[in-house]
Parts: sequence; structure tokens; C-alpha cells
Amino acid sequence: QLQLQESGSGLVKPSQTVSLTCTVSGGSISRAGYSWSWFRQPPGKGLEWIGYIYHSGDTYYNPSLESRLTLSVDKSKNQFSLRLTSVTAADTAVYYCARVTYSGSFYLDSWGRGTLVTVSS
Amino acid sequence: QSALTQPASVSGSPGQSVTISCAGASGDVGSYNLVSWYQHHPGEAPKLIIFDVTKRPSGVSDRFSGSKSGNTASLTISGLQAEDEADYYCCSYAGSGTFEGVFGGGTKLTVL
Repeated sequence: QLQLQESGSGLVKPSQTVSLTCTVSGGSISRAGYSWSWFRQPPGKGLEWIGYIYHSGDTYYNPSLESRLTLSVDKSKNQFSLRLTSVTAADTAVYYCARVTYSGSFYLDSWGRGTLVTVSS
Repeated sequence: QSALTQPASVSGSPGQSVTISCAGASGDVGSYNLVSWYQHHPGEAPKLIIFDVTKRPSGVSDRFSGSKSGNTASLTISGLQAEDEADYYCCSYAGSGTFEGVFGGGTKLTVL
């Protein structure tokens, strides 16, 4: 069974950088037919898509975050990562990684538990 | 503001059935049979319970069922159990682009 686990910065000061990693176990990140995505949920609000990356390294970013966002993949470690710069309090949220099945369908078949990122001085 | 509209909360007693609606538009729910539903217990990983409008992943109880009419999708949970108390989110494919999915704002299910 595929499992995803987020790790990384928990408390970050304004203007600093959030770095998160999603470790995938129980399946290969290099398998075709999937994208590897990041989402977030600010307190009391709904889910917001951040972006996704394919095993090839091709990326797609939420236009509202694109100027501050970098996604990367490390196939040797079966991990993919997020880097968000110049953070503000508005970036405080629970961040989730997930696998999206898009070959012939469209759904998020596996998620991590999420990790809370708090932006505060 | 979420692209898909769900009721903020629903409730039901054990053994009853509840239905959660997910209202979209002609460009998402109305155009594609690619609606999925997720169950989320706080502190746990969200879980896929319905995909392609009506399909259940292996291991998901048949008490969960999905349907769609026009621009609105629905999730029905029959024979409510205490462990069904959770947040439920819908998601629909919305066409190719930078990201093809749109989410609902989530519905809190309370089992009375």
C-alpha cells in the first residue's frame, strides 16, 4: 500500500523559506500515470492546490504562488519536495502531499497526514 | 472561495442515511464523470472513498455511494456509523491546464 509522509519546517519567520519533503513508500515515484502534488489548508478554510510535479521533473504551479514556489523530485530517494520563499502569515496552513492518478481518470488516491506550517515571528 | 459548493455541515443518527451535495458548473462536474470524494478524520491522511462519480476503491464500504445529476454530484452514506463522523470533500476534473482539479469547501458530518 502506498504511503506518503510529509516532513520539514514547522515554525518559520515571516520572509523566510518553507521547505517540505514528501517521502513515498510502497511504490515508485517513477511510475507513469501519476503526478505528485502539494496542497494546503489554512485554518478554517478549504483545500488549496499548490502545484504538482511528474517523475520527469515537469512542474505545474498555482499561478498565485508561482513566483515563490519551487517543486523538485529526487527519484533516488523516492521523494519530492516543496520550497516556498518569502512567506507571510497567509502561508500558515496544514500542507499535504498526495498522488494524483490522471491516466484514464482523475483522483487523489493517496495522501500524507499533513504537516502544520506556522509563519510567525 | 471554493470552486465547488458543499454544505458546511450535515448530521444523522446511527443507522440513518445522509447525502452530501457538491454543486459545480458546466465546466467541471457537468462536463466530466470524474468526481471523487474524500473522507478526512482530523490528524489522519484524507482517504479516497469514491472516484469516477460512482466507483469505490477496494476496501471501501459499500455504504458509501456516489451519483451525479447535471452540475451536482452527491455522496450518500447509508447505515451511518459513529466512525463515519469526519469531514468530506468533493473534487472534480475541470479540464486541462495548470491544474485540472477543483475542490469543494468540505462538509462536516456529525453522527448524533
